[in-house]
Amino acid sequence: DQQVKQNSPSLSVQEGRISILNCDYTNSMFDYFLWYKKYPAEGPTFLISISSIKDKNEDGRFTVFLNKSAKHLSLHIVPSQPGDSAVYFCAASDDTGGFKTIFGAGTRLFVKA
Amino acid sequence: NAGVMQNPRHLVRRRGQEARLRCSPMKGHSHVYWYRQLPEEGLKFMVYLQKENIIDESGMPKERFSAEFPKEGPSILRIQQVVRGDSAAYFCASSPLAGATDNEQFFGPGTRLTVL
Repeated sequence: DQQVKQNSPSLSVQEGRISILNCDYTNSMFDYFLWYKKYPAEGPTFLISISSIKDKNEDGRFTVFLNKSAKHLSLHIVPSQPGDSAVYFCAASDDTGGFKTIFGAGTRLFVKA
Repeated sequence: NAGVMQNPRHLVRRRGQEARLRCSPMKGHSHVYWYRQLPEEGLKFMVYLQKENIIDESGMPKERFSAEFPKEGPSILRIQQVVRGDSAAYFCASSPLAGATDNEQFFGPGTRLTVL
């Protein structure tokens, strides 16, 4: 029962180009979506989030887009940098349980110099 | 201004032993979450606790696993009679009082449990 799905286990992008990471969800009760970034041997760190009342949120090189009708969100990184190479987790919460968050399986991003 | 602390970072146990994983949340945070990450998988929610209360344990296996967050001291995730399938990375996260902006959780570095 995967409520949050990241169907691409890995993505390889050239430095300077755009990275697009995708995420699909099934639970229409989710009202907050987050992206976390994880380096090896470290815990995930929060990157960017979006409320279900918005369709776009931008923070520097990172932009998250939300398409509620398609139950789809994406993270755009532009321009991509080698330091962006990490595993990116999409996550969603519905607040009914007090910020219980469901994570996707992650997408490993490789940014080639 | 320490972040979320977890110890030990690595824990090796033999089948049938007990594993105790500790998590100290960030200062001022009263919500603690435990997640498990199996190899090549994402983070699986296990349990959500506030001080002295279990709020949601829907992700916890029914047997052998328990969690607590006492009034004083760290949160503890306890796994009794460990089996090889318990080998995973266990992450703890914390967040401030309800109403945190962005629902952001702050993660610790994780404890990697290996069951021989």
